[in-house]
Amino acid sequence: AQRVTQPEKLLSVFKGAPVELKCNYSYSGSPELFWYVQYSRQRLQLLLRHISRESIKGFTADLNKGETSFHLKKPFAQEEDSAMYYCALRYGNKLVFGAGTILRVKS
Amino acid sequence: KAGVTQTPRYLIKTRGQQVTLSCSPISGHRSVSWYQQTPGQGLQFLFEYFSETQRNKGNFPGRFSGRQFSNSRSEMNVSTLELGDSALYLCASSSWTSQAGELFFGEGSRLTVL
Repeated sequence: AQRVTQPEKLLSVFKGAPVELKCNYSYSGSPELFWYVQYSRQRLQLLLRHISRESIKGFTADLNKGETSFHLKKPFAQEEDSAMYYCALRYGNKLVFGAGTILRVKS
Repeated sequence: KAGVTQTPRYLIKTRGQQVTLSCSPISGHRSVSWYQQTPGQGLQFLFEYFSETQRNKGNFPGRFSGRQFSNSRSEMNVSTLELGDSALYLCASSSWTSQAGELFFGEGSRLTVL
């Protein structure tokens, strides 16, 4: 079955520290993965997708098929990065989301 | 371009009642998906409609139903409400082109069941 696992409910780091939000997936086909973000009092929105291989707001994510992972990374966390982050796997015409990780960046 | 609009934003119901939530997608988007968001379960897929046809359905009881109209607007209905149905219900629209797959979310309808 298709599944997305985000093992950390909460990740707390200091400003300027590196960030890694973990995401593992279970899918037998060729995966299409996304990271969505929800800032306080804002709607859920796409942060980045693996097929674009882009860096958004300093965040990057590399698909590792061997480890079935799609971890989200940023070398230096900023306070404005504090938000809920969801990893998602496209399955047909729907997205399967992980449980989400709250990132808190402390000053 | 206007974003996804959901109404009502907040509502309170009692057990046993029913509720209808509405979603207007981004103009030109023909796919509308519904998700239930709770602190414990995260985002759970309810169903997806495309051109008035339900293409996908999640693992929710039959009390949860939906439909899509010819203008792509969608409604979802929950009958015989239970306390556990209290959640934020999110609607998302998409064009689902081969290079996209991006969902555009509304602000949600927060349902409280007493």
